[in-house]
Amino acid sequence: GAVVSQHPSRVICKSGTSVKIECRSLDFQATTMFWYRQFPKKSLMLMATSNEGSKATYEQGVEKDKFLINHASLTLSTLTVTSAHPEDSSFYICSASGQGPYQPQHFGDGTRLSIL
Amino acid sequence: GQNIDQPTEMTATEGAIVQINCTYQTSGFNGLFWYQQHAGEAPTFLSYNVLDGLEEKGRFSSFLSRSKGYSYLLLKELQMKDSASYLCAVYTGNNRKLIWGLGTSLAVNP
Repeated sequence: GAVVSQHPSRVICKSGTSVKIECRSLDFQATTMFWYRQFPKKSLMLMATSNEGSKATYEQGVEKDKFLINHASLTLSTLTVTSAHPEDSSFYICSASGQGPYQPQHFGDGTRLSIL
Repeated sequence: GQNIDQPTEMTATEGAIVQINCTYQTSGFNGLFWYQQHAGEAPTFLSYNVLDGLEEKGRFSSFLSRSKGYSYLLLKELQMKDSASYLCAVYTGNNRKLIWGLGTSLAVNP
């Protein structure tokens, strides 16, 4: 149980393109979803937390207009990197947490984004 | 402030036992998680402790002492595939966010 699917796994695109990443909880209802960014050999950096049906809460320093997050249902959240530039190239990982007080975060497989 | 400390790197031998320590100072505490992350992959959930004591799951065990702000992950009968980064994370109760340690990179040698 507790499977999270993230798609696509890899994206290579030109500078200025907008890229949408999907995160789905396949066998549980995810009341909260998280978006992380990770640089090589560095720790996870939380970008934002989203609760179903409400606006995402962004961490300090993360541009809301650059990284658009939508959590429209209990099983789907999307992250759109708008007008991506080479410095946005990174490993983006989503996680989902179910209902209840002590539910662990379960991670998707991540999306490796490369902007040329 | 929020602080989680783990050793940066550890090395062990195949078949041996290794203990990865984690100490934390956080504004609240509602549980401690351990995750495994192989290079280039997303983290996978290993264990969760909310009460003091030892939780055993096959070759992996996790221990918690809330009074000492201390946890460890114990890996027995090490295998080459256990070479990975091990992340300690604390749930403070704030909007389900986890406070993450920087991870311990474990290298298992033959």
